[in-house]
Amino acid sequence: QVQLKESGPGLVQPSQTLSLTCTVSGFSLTSYGVSWVRQPPGKGLEWMGGIWGDGSTNYNSALKSRLSISRDTSKSQVFLKMNSLQTEDTAIYFCTRDYLYWGQGVMVTVSS
Amino acid sequence: DVVLTQTPVSLLISLGGQASISCRSSQSLVHSNGNTYLHWYLQKPGQSPQLLIYQVSNRFSGIPDRFSGSGSGTDFTLKISRVEPEDLGVYYCLQRTHNPLTFGSGTKLEIK
Repeated sequence: QVQLKESGPGLVQPSQTLSLTCTVSGFSLTSYGVSWVRQPPGKGLEWMGGIWGDGSTNYNSALKSRLSISRDTSKSQVFLKMNSLQTEDTAIYFCTRDYLYWGQGVMVTVSS
Repeated sequence: DVVLTQTPVSLLISLGGQASISCRSSQSLVHSNGNTYLHWYLQKPGQSPQLLIYQVSNRFSGIPDRFSGSGSGTDFTLKISRVEPEDLGVYYCLQRTHNPLTFGSGTKLEIK
């Protein structure tokens, strides 16, 4: 069955770079796109960007200058990298396929 | 970006009662292909969002007929009849007609 699982550090220092991995199973990354969505504590959902089956990417313009999404199809992994982190980037980060299948999310706190 | 305004912010409904949630868009959500990509999700406490309704009024697999969606253009409604304890959580609308996709701000449903 389709599964997605996020992993990464729980704590990142301000101004540093966040690196997250979404490991998928049950489908091929060359056939389906994967997107990242984040949710600050107690707040709503924000689309960050995605990588599609052909490898092309699309980013939220508000984050585009800081965000990079890539993948390793042989490992069934999608990567998110975001630099210059600030406290307002504290959030649960989800990866999702089609906004139908979602990972459990990973909490990232930006703090010194 | 398309702004989705959800009302009310919160609802307190008795078991067995009915809830109605509005989602209004800053622009028409009718795609050039004629489809309307407005979807509804429920995020239960501590969980990822789950799809309830896709393309305005289509219940996703396994979603009970207590949930119904309606609307067109810029105005959409999610109705929940015979509210049950497992319906509590935050409801979000999501539009995928325009890039970037955007979420509504959420409506929290609490059970009396």
